[in-house]
Amino acid sequence: DIQMTQSPSAVSASVGDRVTITCRASQDISSLLGWYQQKPGKAPKLLISTASTLQSGVPSRFSGSGFGTDFTLTINNLQPEDFATYYCEQANSFPYTFGQGTKLEIK
Amino acid sequence: EVQLVESGGGLVQPGGSLRLSCAASGFTFSTYWMTWVRQAPGKGLEWLAKINQDGSQKHYVGSVKGRFTISRDNAKKSLYLQMSSLRVDDTAIYYCARDLSSGWFLGGWGQGTLVTVSS
Repeated sequence: DIQMTQSPSAVSASVGDRVTITCRASQDISSLLGWYQQKPGKAPKLLISTASTLQSGVPSRFSGSGFGTDFTLTINNLQPEDFATYYCEQANSFPYTFGQGTKLEIK
Repeated sequence: EVQLVESGGGLVQPGGSLRLSCAASGFTFSTYWMTWVRQAPGKGLEWLAKINQDGSQKHYVGSVKGRFTISRDNAKKSLYLQMSSLRVDDTAIYYCARDLSSGWFLGGWGQGTLVTVSS
């Protein structure tokens, strides 16, 4: 199975900051990487597919990049509603796998 | 609007069985791959199983292979997860999710149903 490793596991930031979360795959997954946001008590929400494709309705302050094994999710100008947990997911080979999550907390 | 509503969760003893259902509406169910994902209390997301449009392809994570079975009934617009030989560490919220129309990623999710395995 492909292992997905996110870093950091948790990060504190302030409104207006820029935050970068990284996700590393244990083998080449091309661009088959998605990013999800989950708020407490809610189901996850897909933000970005195929490494960099922003989903409809997702603010443009979210962006994704990467290819192969190394990927990043960047959030510019953090807003209060962005404080949540973020997960990456590889969809290159079965079983698909998620990273362990990155909790974005308010500083 | 995509709607996915899970049901069937509850308290079950170790070694027991449970069948989860996911009722779909707001889209043409028979044209999408569907997935089950779970989340243990306070933990991260775990991808469990995926099924293609006509049910001819099924994929599982190793931890549930041989114990869980994913299936679907396109006429009833429903997805199922039959769970057997349940263990305490199967305790989690179970989500059903629908792929994007372009595939691969989970563009729509249900609200989840809680399964508690305990004696």
